[in-house]
Amino acid sequence: GQSLEQPSEVTAVEGAIVQINCTYQTSGFYGLSWYQQHDGGAPTFLSYNALDGLEETGRFSSFLSRSDSYGYLLLQELQMKDSASYFCAVSTPDSNYQLIWGAGTKLIIKP
Amino acid sequence: GAVVSQHPSRVICKSGTSVKIECRSLDFQATTMFWYRQFPKQSLMLMATSNEGSKATYEQGVEKDKFLINHASLTLSTLTVTSAHPEDSSFYICSATHRTYEQYFGPGTRLTVT
Repeated sequence: GQSLEQPSEVTAVEGAIVQINCTYQTSGFYGLSWYQQHDGGAPTFLSYNALDGLEETGRFSSFLSRSDSYGYLLLQELQMKDSASYFCAVSTPDSNYQLIWGAGTKLIIKP
Repeated sequence: GAVVSQHPSRVICKSGTSVKIECRSLDFQATTMFWYRQFPKQSLMLMATSNEGSKATYEQGVEKDKFLINHASLTLSTLTVTSAHPEDSSFYICSATHRTYEQYFGPGTRLTVT
């Protein structure tokens, strides 16, 4: 089967740094995406990694290791507005652009 | 960035009636649109994938006669929940893409069937 594993919940303090991990087992692999979803809202795209390494976009960075089937999302200088659920998702060949979704990580930020 | 609208944002209907949800890509041509269902505190559950001008591909366990999907143009897809029942109450979200793996999501529709 195909599966993605990520922690169900992570707690951090405002201003700190937090890392949300994602491991995957899929029959093929094109890339790893991260999406943010606030309560009551729809997911919004954060990042996409197709190659190994770290991609930085402002306070958010995303890392991928294809050999380890592993990636993470790094959030720096946490703000209260970053409280949300974060989903990793894998794209695979011949999938008609479908994504395989993780269960999501709820990030709780304390003042 | 790409914008996807979804209408209505909330709908309450009586059991047995049908509800149509529209999903539009406002500033790009969506070659593929996806319909998801999401229960509280759970991940997105893909219901179907639709390509413009062709029949939707439904995921296992999703009744195609109950959830009618039409992708009539490169900017519009509709989901019709037919003969809705209380168990169909959920958050329905569409997303669109143009030949990439980056999906742009609509704001979602919260359906309540009484």
